[in-house]
Amino acid sequence: QVHLVQSGAEVKKPGASVKVSCKAFGYTLSAYYMHWVRQAPGQGLEWMGWINPDSGGTNYAQKFQGWVTMTRDTSISTVYMELNRLRSDDTAVYYCAVDFFSSGSAFNIWGQGTMVNVSS
Amino acid sequence: QSVLTQPPSASGTPGQRVTISCSGSNSNIGSNTVNWYQHLPGTAPKLLIYNNNQRPSGVPDRFSGSKSGTSASLAISGLRSEDEADYYCAPWDDSLNGVLFGGGTKLSVL
Repeated sequence: QVHLVQSGAEVKKPGASVKVSCKAFGYTLSAYYMHWVRQAPGQGLEWMGWINPDSGGTNYAQKFQGWVTMTRDTSISTVYMELNRLRSDDTAVYYCAVDFFSSGSAFNIWGQGTMVNVSS
Repeated sequence: QSVLTQPPSASGTPGQRVTISCSGSNSNIGSNTVNWYQHLPGTAPKLLIYNNNQRPSGVPDRFSGSKSGTSASLAISGLRSEDEADYYCAPWDDSLNGVLFGGGTKLSVL
């Protein structure tokens, strides 16, 4: 069964970094781009970028360039999203998602979400 | 700056048909397909419609999508209480070179 399992909730202080993992089950990780989307409390969905697990190539939303790093370890079918210099408004649920329809934004498989709380 | 405009809220009674609009521009809806998501609190978003009007396996045919020019719509017929959720449109945006989510529409079933 195809599914994505993310790492657990994190509590971080402002200025710290957080690294969230997303492990793929039931398909070959390198076959599809992995995207990251977040939702802050009371806000809408926000796309952060994607990683091509095959090549390691990335495409980050302009807002996150220089601030987010997406990596992968194909040997364990896992991708990572690291966000640096955290601020309180980075408090959000972070999701990994895959577009099996290869349409660019049709995410039919999602991780369960990882809550990141940034608080002093 | 690319923006997708959705009404912040919509409502209907059980059995009714409701429509949620999504207005964009040539760089997003005008030149790319539109996908729609249903998001319930505490759960991951669910893909409802992809490529403007296609339903993934398991999505009831009560849900339908359409696109015309730089606008798209999601229609829900035979409204049910379990349809109460947030709905987002999401096309690719060529100017941003990324996915753009609409602001979301909160659907209430009265």
